[in-house]
Amino acid sequence: GNSVTQMEGPVTLSEEAFLTINCTYTATGYPSLFWYVQYPGEGLQLLLKATKADDKGSNKGFEATYRKETTSFHLEKGSVQVSDSAVYFCALSVAGTGRRALTFGSGTRLQVQP
Amino acid sequence: GAVVSQHPSWVICKSGTSVKIECRSLDFQATTMFWYRQFPKQSLMLMATSNEGSKATYEQGVEKDKFLINHASLTLSTLTVTSAHPEDSSFYICSTPGQGGSYTFGSGTRLTVV
Repeated sequence: GNSVTQMEGPVTLSEEAFLTINCTYTATGYPSLFWYVQYPGEGLQLLLKATKADDKGSNKGFEATYRKETTSFHLEKGSVQVSDSAVYFCALSVAGTGRRALTFGSGTRLQVQP
Repeated sequence: GAVVSQHPSWVICKSGTSVKIECRSLDFQATTMFWYRQFPKQSLMLMATSNEGSKATYEQGVEKDKFLINHASLTLSTLTVTSAHPEDSSFYICSTPGQGGSYTFGSGTRLTVV
């Protein structure tokens, strides 16, 4: 089956620190990979995605590279801000005979301190 | 872009009563709707998949008689939690596949059963 494993949080960083949130996956088929962000009290928002090996998704200073050889999609940001405090979810979907639901990791809470 | 309007955003109900959650696709047709549940500090777990005009497909362990899903039109899918109990308190969120492998999420409904 499909599964996503994320590093456990919370991750606490000071403003302007470098961020890495690890994500690895297993999938039956060729998955598309996503990072979603959930701010306090809100629903999920797509942060970035990649649909094939070696693709790099990027948005708002965040980036992640689809690594097929290591089945990973680690999220990185060079300099975090307090406003980046949220829960980050790695997810995948595998297209088949129909549109498939996303499989989510457990989420990683990021807390950025001023 | 595509928008899914989910209502209510929060609801408090008494144990034993039923609650209906609506997800409407605005300006586009949603033939498929995924329903997820998120317990505090946990990831989103797929509950069921609804397709317009047909019966919903439920994930293992989800009681179809308790979580009634209706997808009678291309713009509206509903989830009714019947005879709600405190253990049903959770964050419920809908999602529909969009163009280019994307997914659009509703803003979520926080259900508290007292």
